Amino acid sequence: GENVEQHPSTLSVQEGDSAVIKCTYSDSASNYFPWYKQELGKRPQLIIDIRSNVGEKKDQRIAVTLNKTAKHFSLHITETQPEDSAVYFCAAILGYATDDMRFGAGTRLTVKP
Amino acid sequence: DGGITQSPKYLFRKEGQNVTLSCEQNLNHDAMYWYRQDPGQGLRLIYYSQIVNDFQKGDIAEGYSVSREKKESFPLTVTSAQKNPTAFYLCASSLVRSGRWGDIQYFGAGTRLSVL
Repeated sequence: GENVEQHPSTLSVQEGDSAVIKCTYSDSASNYFPWYKQELGKRPQLIIDIRSNVGEKKDQRIAVTLNKTAKHFSLHITETQPEDSAVYFCAAILGYATDDMRFGAGTRLTVKP
Repeated sequence: DGGITQSPKYLFRKEGQNVTLSCEQNLNHDAMYWYRQDPGQGLRLIYYSQIVNDFQKGDIAEGYSVSREKKESFPLTVTSAQKNPTAFYLCASSLVRSGRWGDIQYFGAGTRLSVL
């Protein structure tokens, strides 16, 4: 099965609303979980990351939560703005003592003005 | 542009031809990666390398080859065995810190490969 599953594949919200994207991973040894944002025609760029010794991390309007027991992590964007529209990818290190990282299939977020 | 450079930006491959995509970084990163991105899809790992002269296969290594003779360079060759090479190829690099696995990956601007 997929190493990292991401849902939903598309998400449309009104400006000012919150957006939540969820990912699950299969390897319990995974310990690093970054989120990348890719705007149309551009390269992916890291927006936030979390390690397995932390349950939640926030950076202004963006937060990531991690549930190690359930093996899922989520991206939360509050007070969404049109410039948040992009494709968001979650990722996880595959296993222990490795830098082998696998990405989810991506979520296309559209923020309507 | 973040210290990681991919070239060319666009590349065309003829039937039966091998083509090589360049990736160079001046970030002094140990690890380098190649991903393939198809329209509307995520990033699939082709190969990665954590150290010079060593590399590992990712999920879709068949039809591709790499080398890591220098820390700064990780070229990807798309061989004639890759029957569906049309895609956007992204190279990335990251630090490898002792005792810490996984770190921020910085991406190049990508190479768009098409088949003639």
